Amino acid sequence: DIQMTQSPSSLSASVGDRVTITCRASQSIGTYLSWYQQSPGKAPILLIYAASTLQSGVPSRFSGSGSGTHFTLTISSLQPEDFSNYYCQQSYGTPLTFGGGTKVDIK
Amino acid sequence: EVHLEESGGGLVQPGGSLTLSCAASGFTFSSYEMNWVRQAPGKGLEWVAYISSGGSTISYRDSVKGRFTISRDNAKNSLYLQMDSLRADDTAVYYCARDMYSSAWTIDYWGQGTRVTVTS
Repeated sequence: DIQMTQSPSSLSASVGDRVTITCRASQSIGTYLSWYQQSPGKAPILLIYAASTLQSGVPSRFSGSGSGTHFTLTISSLQPEDFSNYYCQQSYGTPLTFGGGTKVDIK
Repeated sequence: EVHLEESGGGLVQPGGSLTLSCAASGFTFSSYEMNWVRQAPGKGLEWVAYISSGGSTISYRDSVKGRFTISRDNAKNSLYLQMDSLRADDTAVYYCARDMYSSAWTIDYWGQGTRVTVTS
């Protein structure tokens, strides 16, 4: 199975900050990488797929980059509604695997 | 508008069985591959099972193989997860989840989830 490792597991930031979350795959997965946002008690929302393609309706302050084994999710200017949990997921094949998550909270 | 609604969760004893259902609407269900993903309390997301659009290809995570069965009824726009020999570590919210397109392995829509609690 492909292991996905996210860092940091949590971070504190302020509105307007630039935030970067990292995800590493245990083997090369090309650009088969997705990012999701999940608020407490809610279902996840797809933000980014194919490593860097913004899902329809997602604000442009979210961006993704990377290929192979190293990927990043960047929020260019953190908004109040962005304080949430974020997960990466490899879409290379089954078993689908997710990173452990990154909690972004208010400093 | 795409809508996925799970049902069938509840409290069950270890070794028991439960069947989850997912009613889909707002899209051509028979054209999409589907998944079940779960989330244990306070934990991250964990993929459970996959079924192709026609139901001919199925895949499970190792820990549920032989105990869980994924199926679908395209005529009823419904997805199912039959869960047998349930264990405490199966306790989670179970999400019905749609694959973005064939072999995308990317989930573009999720239901709101149904909670399964396995306890004596």
